[in-house]
Amino acid sequence: EVQLVESGGGLVQPGGSLRLSCGASGFTFNTYWMSWVRQAPGKGLEWVAHTPPDGSEKYYVDSVKGRFTIFRDNAKNSLYLQMNTLRVEDTAVYYCVGWGVFDNYWGQGTLVTVSS
Amino acid sequence: DVVMTQSPLSLPVTLGQPASISCRSSQSLVHSDGSTWLHWFQQRPGQSPRRLIYTASNRDSGVPDRFSGSGSGTDFTLKISRVEAEDVGLYYCMQFIQWPHTFGQGTRLEIK
Repeated sequence: EVQLVESGGGLVQPGGSLRLSCGASGFTFNTYWMSWVRQAPGKGLEWVAHTPPDGSEKYYVDSVKGRFTIFRDNAKNSLYLQMNTLRVEDTAVYYCVGWGVFDNYWGQGTLVTVSS
Repeated sequence: DVVMTQSPLSLPVTLGQPASISCRSSQSLVHSDGSTWLHWFQQRPGQSPRRLIYTASNRDSGVPDRFSGSGSGTDFTLKISRVEAEDVGLYYCMQFIQWPHTFGQGTRLEIK
């Protein structure tokens, strides 16, 4: 059974930092593009960051460039999102997403709340 | 950025009746390899999104055949041939031909 399990969300003050983790199982993690997609409360989906199977490239939406870093550890079947200088508008459920040629996997999401 | 525009944003449907959602992109989603770089997702209430259709017209594994995708270039459609109660939720189109990958605003399907 395929599983993506996110962790690391929580309440943080504006300007603070959090690191999200995503543990993968049930598929060949090191052959999948991996992404973080977020959903603000009551809002639609927004792609945040994306990285290829070997982690050699990293793509970010403009609103998080310079503040967020996506990285992966294929030996641990894990994906991460380091989030610094957090803003109120970063409040959202963050989903870990895996992209294969013919399949697509989503985690259950982890809630990040940025508030004073 | 490629802008994805869905319509309608709210779709009340009677059980057993068909439903159709439109998605328009601000530029062509046809890749140089001939495929169309658009996916459709369903998000049931309280659940994570789930992909239904990949590359515009291919059903993902386990997706009922009442769901179908069509279109090319900049205009796409998701059709449900006969709506069932479990189809309630939000539907999103998404392009991945250009970074940042972008989603439509979402269409909320509800039962009349």
